[in-house]
Order: sequence, then structure tokens, then C-alpha cells
Amino acid sequence: NAGVTQTPKFQVLKTGQSMTLQCAQDMNHNSMYWYRQDPGMGLRLIYYSASEGTTDKGEVPNGYNVSRLNKREFSLRLESAAPSQTSVYFCASGSQNTEAFFGQGTRLTVV
Amino acid sequence: AQSVTQLDSQVPVFEEAPVELRCNYSSSVSVYLFWYVQYPNQGLQLLLKYLSGSTLVESINGFEAEFNKSQTSFHLRKPSVHISDTAEYFCAVTNNNAGNMLTFGGGTRLMVKP
Repeated sequence: NAGVTQTPKFQVLKTGQSMTLQCAQDMNHNSMYWYRQDPGMGLRLIYYSASEGTTDKGEVPNGYNVSRLNKREFSLRLESAAPSQTSVYFCASGSQNTEAFFGQGTRLTVV
Repeated sequence: AQSVTQLDSQVPVFEEAPVELRCNYSSSVSVYLFWYVQYPNQGLQLLLKYLSGSTLVESINGFEAEFNKSQTSFHLRKPSVHISDTAEYFCAVTNNNAGNMLTFGGGTRLMVKP
């Protein structure tokens, strides 16, 4: 049982480049989330999708877009990467009133 | 709006000593509370959760946390820590109005020394 799978695990981008982080879950969860983790700041919500076909902004959405491709998949896109987007990105999924399950993370460096 | 404050960014402790990691939350509605643990270069794993019922919740590896509504706290405790408990610990909160969206504290790095 894979749970939440993120790709890639590591990525280095140059300023201005674009990329898409992929996330898939096999637990039939309705909700999916993208967080970023920065030292001393915990995890901050970028975007979330409460159900297939819906997406909403979280706490720090600027510079990002998302797509809920189907119930399993939720991708995060950086259109023009900036050094401030250097971070560890986590995808998570969950259902109402239960815990969220996290992927292993994507470590992104923008130079 | 909801928020979480973890009062200690780092907690050094000797092996077999007790430890308490503090967590306070703010919310205008009833909450669900979680502690997650993150080992180096890994994702977050659920340690324990409070959804309803008994205010004292326990994990399988000896940690416990108590939901205190009057003090808006959910402190994590372990009576005797092991080297393997060295990790970062995150307190998180959500509520019915927030769906399953978790708001996290800044994290506490537990460093267990021999």
C-alpha cells in the first residue's frame, strides 16, 4: 500500500524555470493538500482540494498553481521559480475528521 | 481562524529522562488536535490524535498528550525517552469548519543525548 507518493524527491531549478510536482494517493481520500516546510515555520498550506474538481488557496499561494486531475492526483506547478520558493514540499491527503497522510516530500532548490 | 504555538524550538534531554513538548492552540470552535513526528529526511508520521472522548491520548511508543480545553493546550509527554526519539515534532489543529486542513505549529526539535 503506497499511501501518498510524490515525485520528484529532489530538484534544482534556475530562477525563472518552471516545473510541476506530482502527487498521487491510493487511499480514496476526497481531500488533498500541498504544504511547504521552512525552518522554524512549520508547514504552511499552499493550496488544497476538498474534492475532485475543486481547488482553493491556502495561506501562501502566490507563485503557485494546482490541478486536481482526478480523485487520486493533485499536482503543484511553479510557473516561474524564485529563490524564495526554495523549500521542502509535502503533499497530503485525508478525509473528514481523520488525520492527514503525508508523502515523503520534494526538496526543491532554486538558484 | 486557528493557530498553533509550540513554545520551544529545541528541547535537549538526556536518555531515559522525562520530556514535555508544549503546544498551545487558538480557535473559536471545537478542535481536533494532532502530534506528528518527522525523522530526518522523511515525511510526517502521525504520532497521536485527539478527536473526541477521553482527553488523554496515547501512542504505541510511550508518548501521551492531554487535551486541556481551559488552557487551550495539547502538550506531549514521555516519561523516559530513547535515543531513537530524536526527531522534530509538530503539533497541528483542525476543526469541522476547516475540513481537514491542518494548521501547524513551528515544530520542536527533540534532541536525546546519551
